[in-house]
Amino acid sequence: KQEVTQIPAALSVPEGENLVLNCSFTDSAIYNLQWFRQDPGKGLTSLLLIQSSQREQTSGRLNASLDKSSGRSTLYIAASQPGDSATYLCAFYLGGNKLVFGAGTILRVKS
Amino acid sequence: DAGITQSPRHKVTETGTPVTLRCHQTENHRYMYWYRQDPGHGLRLIHYSYGVKDTDKGEVSDGYSVSRSKTEDFLLTLESATSSQTSVYFCAIRPGGQGYGYTFGSGTRLTVV
Repeated sequence: KQEVTQIPAALSVPEGENLVLNCSFTDSAIYNLQWFRQDPGKGLTSLLLIQSSQREQTSGRLNASLDKSSGRSTLYIAASQPGDSATYLCAFYLGGNKLVFGAGTILRVKS
Repeated sequence: DAGITQSPRHKVTETGTPVTLRCHQTENHRYMYWYRQDPGHGLRLIHYSYGVKDTDKGEVSDGYSVSRSKTEDFLLTLESATSSQTSVYFCAIRPGGQGYGYTFGSGTRLTVV
């Protein structure tokens, strides 16, 4: 069974810092990995999708990497802003109807 | 999110009444999913569809039924609402093929009193 762990569970940083969110998984038989953002009371917004054969994806200030051999993915946020405050979720697609989520990292960026 | 809408956004209903939530997509994606999100449990799959009239159960399907009569619409029905079904419900869509990601709707907040 795929186990997904996100560290840290919560993070508070001053504006402008670069930060890294971590996601670890136990089963490397994945098709792809998605990082989502969820604002309070809102839906999930897809940030980045990494295919199983890829190592990283970038979108603006966000960079996500995938290392299947070590069972890790990281989301790097450069020059953080208060608007980045949200819960960040990693999710692994295992095929069929199986999308496995981590518990999330709650990020607060202080101005 | 673009291409996927859920209705209603909020609903309060009484115990024992039937409730139907609607998910509508304009992306012509093959797969549609219903999840519920609860504190301490994260997102759990209720039912999903892999085509018109083709549906299957997820991990928490008891008390729920679904229907998909058109590609664009996926309905979730609580046959007789209970307080344990108070939750936020999310619909998601995905194209066919293993390499594609999920797109989630904005959610329906359901309160059963």
